[in-house]
Amino acid sequence: DQQVKQNSPSLSVQEGRISILNCDYTNSMFDYFLWYKKYPAEGPTFLISISSIKDKNEDGRFTVFLNKSAKHLSLHIVPSQPGDSAVYFCAASWDGGSNYKLTFGKGTLLTVNP
Amino acid sequence: DAGITQSPRHKVTETGTPVTLRCHQTENHRYMYWYRQDPGHGLRLIHYSYGVKDTDKGEVSDGYSVSRSKTEDFLLTLESATSSQTSVYFCATSMRYEQYFGPGTRLTVT
Repeated sequence: DQQVKQNSPSLSVQEGRISILNCDYTNSMFDYFLWYKKYPAEGPTFLISISSIKDKNEDGRFTVFLNKSAKHLSLHIVPSQPGDSAVYFCAASWDGGSNYKLTFGKGTLLTVNP
Repeated sequence: DAGITQSPRHKVTETGTPVTLRCHQTENHRYMYWYRQDPGHGLRLIHYSYGVKDTDKGEVSDGYSVSRSKTEDFLLTLESATSSQTSVYFCATSMRYEQYFGPGTRLTVT
């Protein structure tokens, strides 16, 4: 059973517009959420994270929103740039003996068109 | 991340042969993880380590073993490689939630 779901395999946006990537989770134990970006033939790179005690975290062009009641988080990229074209993975974890293991979604391929 | 290296970066092997992949870190991170990435599956955890000589299974551990004899190195062994183990393998390290990944090893089992 998939505990972290990214229901959109791909997303295409125009340069300068907003990109919104979505992620849903089912495990109520999750209390920390992360987004990773992956270019082809490279390892994933950490982008931004959010703790369950917050509902928003911002870092430059990237903002993550968390809606705990809906078990939903989203990543907003404003403005989108062609260099943002990559696969984005949502991941979740929880405290309390998990050894900080992450559960990943299957990823969303973002294409930003010039 | 330059602090995490994987070797080899590419390998082609035959079914039934043993294969060992190496992950080396200079970050002094306590936790280390091995993942595989396959189309349609995202990143799946194979095994992880929470300290020297302390390891545990992930969600797809069958056919794999690991060892960690020192903080810097985490080895992943396929005892007898099968075609279903053709994949891209990533190592990651962390001190807490944020994991940092190596560049990956592309393994092909023929």
